[in-house]
Amino acid sequence: AQSVTQLGSHVSVSEGALVLLRCNYSSSVPPYLFWYVQYPNQGLQLLLKYTTGATLVKGINGFEAEFKKSETSFHLTKPSAHMSDAAEYFCAVSGGYKLSFGAGTTVTVRA
Amino acid sequence: DAGVIQSPRHEVTEMGQEVTLRCKPISGHDYLFWYRQTMMRGLELLIYFNNNVPIDDSGMPEDRFSAKMPNASFSTLKIQPSEPRDSAVYFCASSTGQTLMNTEAFFGQGTRLTVV
Repeated sequence: AQSVTQLGSHVSVSEGALVLLRCNYSSSVPPYLFWYVQYPNQGLQLLLKYTTGATLVKGINGFEAEFKKSETSFHLTKPSAHMSDAAEYFCAVSGGYKLSFGAGTTVTVRA
Repeated sequence: DAGVIQSPRHEVTEMGQEVTLRCKPISGHDYLFWYRQTMMRGLELLIYFNNNVPIDDSGMPEDRFSAKMPNASFSTLKIQPSEPRDSAVYFCASSTGQTLMNTEAFFGQGTRLTVV
């Protein structure tokens, strides 16, 4: 079975500061990992994904994530936060054709 | 493509009533998923279909919940009778299974259900 754990349900950052959202996974097979973002009253939108190959994955809106097998982690970062980054972020793992999501991390951005 | 389309966006109903949520997946996608999102439990997979056939319904909470996919372009999630604890946002998502183990799911905007 596959699962992910997101560390921290809320993160508050200043505009222009680094955004770091933590995700650890558990998987009995090579994992396929995803980060999704959910803006208020919207559905989930894919930010980026890791399947195979390069462990540093770049996504939309300046986000990137690094797959670290030794640490079973897939943390999401953005060098400089923007007000529009305020949203809820979900880490997910695929163990076949279905996604298992973490509990989510809500990001607030302070002006 | 217009993406995954769900209707209605909002539904308020009285306890005991039947509720039907609708979903139109992206054309060409052969996997369809129903998720429920609540504050307490986060995002839970309820059921998913492949080529209109239910594959895994282990997430369906009770017999009051049922889902159908009569054709490749339409699915319903029905709750009968509804209860206040069913209040949640229900998401439909679709994906293509062409890339095995490499699923990217596209989500609809969700239906916010309130049972009073």
